Amino acid sequence: SQTIHQWPATLVQPVGSPLSLECTVEGTSNPNLYWYRQAAGRGLQLLFYSVGIGQISSEVPQNLSASRPQDRQFILSSKKLLLSDSGFYLCAWSKGPRGGFGNGTRLTVT
Amino acid sequence: SQQGEEDPQALSIQEGENATMNCSYKTSINNLQWYRQNSGRGLVHLILIRSNEREKHSGRLRVTLDTSKKSSSLLITASRAADTASYFCATDSGGSNYKLTFGKGTLLTVNP
Repeated sequence: SQTIHQWPATLVQPVGSPLSLECTVEGTSNPNLYWYRQAAGRGLQLLFYSVGIGQISSEVPQNLSASRPQDRQFILSSKKLLLSDSGFYLCAWSKGPRGGFGNGTRLTVT
Repeated sequence: SQQGEEDPQALSIQEGENATMNCSYKTSINNLQWYRQNSGRGLVHLILIRSNEREKHSGRLRVTLDTSKKSSSLLITASRAADTASYFCATDSGGSNYKLTFGKGTLLTVNP
């Protein structure tokens, strides 16, 4: 069966510091991968998705970037965090009709 | 941008009552899904309904879809305190059923 791991679960970072959130999927190959963000009191917004290694599509302009260095690894990064980057970040995978979400990372930028 | 818009934004009921949440969307869809999120935690997939389906059941959940009105409803029957959570609808327009546009959610509180 497929599992998705996302870490860390919580993160507190100062403004201007870099960010790296990692997500890995097990039990499948060549999945589509996604990063979502949820601001307080709102629904989730798709930030990035990837259909293959090195292939990244950005859905919204922002201070973040994503990379997919390996087939089942998806990384969300920032060179300098802003206060507005605070939120709950969820990684997801899909392949055909199957998929799932990670448990999320709560990022607080102070 | 938000595609799905749930209403009400918040709903408070007593245990044993039914809870109905609605979702409206703006553009054509391939699938519509409902998710549950306990406070500050990950998403739990509840049910997926395809654009050519009108109603779907899963346990105490009943989902309807009216593509002519671009709306869906989620009914939870015989609610329990453990059903307390936020509920989101999410739509996709094809290609992947995880390339989703979410609504803002309905916060359901079931009082024991």
